[in-house]
Amino acid sequence: KAGVTQTPRYLIKTRGQQVTLSCSPISGHRSVSWYQQTPGQGLQFLFEYFSETQRNKGNFPGRFSGRQFSNSRSEMNVSTLELGDSALYLCASSLYPGGRAYNEQFFGPGTRLTVL
Amino acid sequence: SQQGEEDPQALSIQEGENATMNCSYKTSINNLQWYRQNSGRGLVHLILIRSNEREKHSGRLRVTLDTSKKSSSLLITASRAADTASYFCATGGNSGGSNYKLTFGKGTLLTVNP
Repeated sequence: KAGVTQTPRYLIKTRGQQVTLSCSPISGHRSVSWYQQTPGQGLQFLFEYFSETQRNKGNFPGRFSGRQFSNSRSEMNVSTLELGDSALYLCASSLYPGGRAYNEQFFGPGTRLTVL
Repeated sequence: SQQGEEDPQALSIQEGENATMNCSYKTSINNLQWYRQNSGRGLVHLILIRSNEREKHSGRLRVTLDTSKKSSSLLITASRAADTASYFCATGGNSGGSNYKLTFGKGTLLTVNP
């Protein structure tokens, strides 16, 4: 099976712009979660989607949003970019929605976003 | 706030030696997962251990979980230079439902010298 894919892999934007990142989960997986990784804050949870519904959201401003499509692919959008949004954005997919003890989450290679 | 805390923050060993990393957490969990990350790339899933399990093995990896002490350890035996990476533990809370998320520690940077 192909792993989790994320596009684009690298992105350079300027402050004030918006950006859309895409994630395709492992075939058959219906849960997609997004994480932000920065040197200062580490890995932080953004949100989780399952069957096109947002199940949980982390402590991020409303500029961060996401959605999931019927084929389980997910996108996240960041509007009005700030310098502090520069980070590695990681997407993870799992077979089941979060909460089940045996639910492994598999990560994609990430999108490296640089905001100038 | 970070739930898992890895210890040590950095570890340097020689090839062939064993490496042990520890993870402590604060609240009840239903599982704990270990991941490896090579220099700013994606996370590679290593192993998941459920809260009702005490030990799991996968190849050269051995993970233990002590829920009474809220701690876990990852042992890599006969380490190789290719094991050089950052290792993270991630805890899955037992709130289940729509409040579930993985919470990561800051990671242990393992360097295996040839």
